[in-house]
Amino acid sequence: EVQLVESGGGLVQPGGSLRLSCAASGFTFSSYEMNWVRQAPGKGLEWVSYISSSGSTIYYADSVKGRFTISRDNAKNSLYLQMNSLRAEDTAVYYCARDVYGSGSKGYYYYMDVWGKGTTVTVSS
Amino acid sequence: SYVLTQPPSVSVAPGKTARITCGGNNIGSKSVHWYQQKPGQAPVLVIYYDSDRPSGIPERFSGSNSGNTATLTISRVEAGDEADYYCQVWDSSSDHPRDVFGTGTKVTVL
Repeated sequence: EVQLVESGGGLVQPGGSLRLSCAASGFTFSSYEMNWVRQAPGKGLEWVSYISSSGSTIYYADSVKGRFTISRDNAKNSLYLQMNSLRAEDTAVYYCARDVYGSGSKGYYYYMDVWGKGTTVTVSS
Repeated sequence: SYVLTQPPSVSVAPGKTARITCGGNNIGSKSVHWYQQKPGQAPVLVIYYDSDRPSGIPERFSGSNSGNTATLTISRVEAGDEADYYCQVWDSSSDHPRDVFGTGTKVTVL
């Protein structure tokens, strides 16, 4: 069964750090790009970061650039998100999601076909 | 940055058709994907590449995309379709590519 399981969430004070993990199973992890997506309480989905299958290409949302670092260990089938200088507005459920690449008449595209259940991060004093 | 706008809510009676729009500048030139999210659950992909359905998604779900509007259509709506729905595109128009999600639409089955 294809599965993604996040861990590492919790309560942290503003300015603190947290490292999220996402364990992948049931598929060849090293062949897929991956994302982190978050959802603040009562709000919509917000893309956070993308990493290519090899880890050589990385993108961040402007809201987290310079504070968050995405990485992966293909030998351990794991995705990570190091979060530093946390703010109250980073409070959210964080999902890892598998990316699927496609190309067509409109150029290339990505969509997320497998999601984990999420891990909750609360930034509060 | 690229913005996707959805109506906050759509209400529909059981057995009727729900249409959820996703507006964006020349969105017809991009591939649009749709996700369903029920309360307390992770999102689930229901439409990709404008109109393709993943395995296991009922044929009642369909998509279209043209001009400045993409549309998710749910035919013969059932109570179990009540959820939040999000559109998504990959915006590669700048040197800072990113995924963009729509604002989300809550579908209520009357």
